[in-house]
Amino acid sequence: AQSVTQLDSQVPVFEEAPVELRCNYSSSVSVYLFWYVQYPNQGLQLLLKYLSGSTLVKGINGFEAEFNKSQTSFHLRKPSVHISDTAEYFCAVISNFNKFYFGSGTKLNVKP
Amino acid sequence: DGGITQSPKYLFRKEGQNVTLSCEQNLNHDAMYWYRQDPGQGLRLIYYSQIVNDFQKGDIAEGYSVSREKKESFPLTVTSAQKNPTAFYLCASSKGTNQPQHFGDGTRLSIL
Repeated sequence: AQSVTQLDSQVPVFEEAPVELRCNYSSSVSVYLFWYVQYPNQGLQLLLKYLSGSTLVKGINGFEAEFNKSQTSFHLRKPSVHISDTAEYFCAVISNFNKFYFGSGTKLNVKP
Repeated sequence: DGGITQSPKYLFRKEGQNVTLSCEQNLNHDAMYWYRQDPGQGLRLIYYSQIVNDFQKGDIAEGYSVSREKKESFPLTVTSAQKNPTAFYLCASSKGTNQPQHFGDGTRLSIL
């Protein structure tokens, strides 16, 4: 069965430091991969997506992610975070059966 | 601007009552979804619909019902059979089941 694992439930980081949020998925077939951000009491907003092509994907708010097929990973990175990046981040995958799977989320806490 | 509108933002239910959560989209999307979000558990799929007048159960459909009489509307009813309805409910839509999902701002349901 398809699954998505976000290895860290919480990530504390100081402002202007780099951050990486980890995501691994289980699949032996082609997948589409996504990262979403959720601010308190709001819905999810699409940050970036990988459908095909270049394995390095750039998204909104300065975030990027790299698709690594051999390691079945899709880690999210930002070279310098801001206080406003404090939110919960969800990794998601669509399997070849067109079903959406979400990870359990990583709370990013940016400290001044 | 196109988007997804969920109403109300906050909803309170008495024991034994059914309540209906509204979800409307003007994105001309064919597929619509309902998720339940509990702290630390990510998103769990309740129901989804790929086309008008058709819908399928997700992973946690018991105690919930939906209808899809119009393309733009996908209301969710939380019935009295749902014993633990307190949660944050998110509605989403997509062009197709292999496309990114767009989310509303959610409805927070509480029991009085």
